[in-house]
Amino acid sequence: ELKVEQNPLFLSMQEGKNYTIYCNYSTTSDRLYWYRQDPGKSLESLFVLLSNGAVKQEGRLMASLDTKARLSTLHITAAVHDLSATYFCAVELTGNQFYFGTGTSLTVIP
Amino acid sequence: DTEVTQTPKHLVMGMTNKKSLKCEQHMGHRAMYWYKQKAKKPPELMFVYSYEKLSINESVPSRFSPECPNSSLLNLHLHALQPEDSALYLCASSQDLGRSGGRNYGYTFGSGTRLTVV
Repeated sequence: ELKVEQNPLFLSMQEGKNYTIYCNYSTTSDRLYWYRQDPGKSLESLFVLLSNGAVKQEGRLMASLDTKARLSTLHITAAVHDLSATYFCAVELTGNQFYFGTGTSLTVIP
Repeated sequence: DTEVTQTPKHLVMGMTNKKSLKCEQHMGHRAMYWYKQKAKKPPELMFVYSYEKLSINESVPSRFSPECPNSSLLNLHLHALQPEDSALYLCASSQDLGRSGGRNYGYTFGSGTRLTVV
């Protein structure tokens, strides 16, 4: 059974601080996605990581993938209030199988 | 057109009602998905259609019945639901290159249908 676990589940951080969200998965995959979800809204695609060692950056967010460790990270730099949301990683397996992690609820405090 | 459109946005139904959720995309994607999301939980995969054929059914109760009339449309027929089925139902689509040996790239999600069963 595939497990996709995120750590932490809840994160409260002050504006201007840095932090990293971790996504561990239990089976072989070389494709990892990050999504953002605001309360009551759908999923917004943030990053698509397509190979081992992939690193993508957009604004204050940077995502990386280590397929050998089955680990992806989402690093937040100098957090701002607008980043408050729930962040999900998702693992793609063959055969159109796409499974989400447990989610990290991020609150950025002014 | 780079969107997945879901209707209705909100639906309230009784436990004896029959209703349908609709999903449409015009991106030429050949794989379409239904997810169920409870509050403060991750989306859970329900069904996958690949080239208009059901390829994955994640042990979903038969009161949920998917249908893919053509490559652009995906329906979810609902019958005799329970209050615990109340959730956000999300549709998604992706390219499906499996038949040609390729891999999917990019999943696009609709805005969802907020379902309440009373």
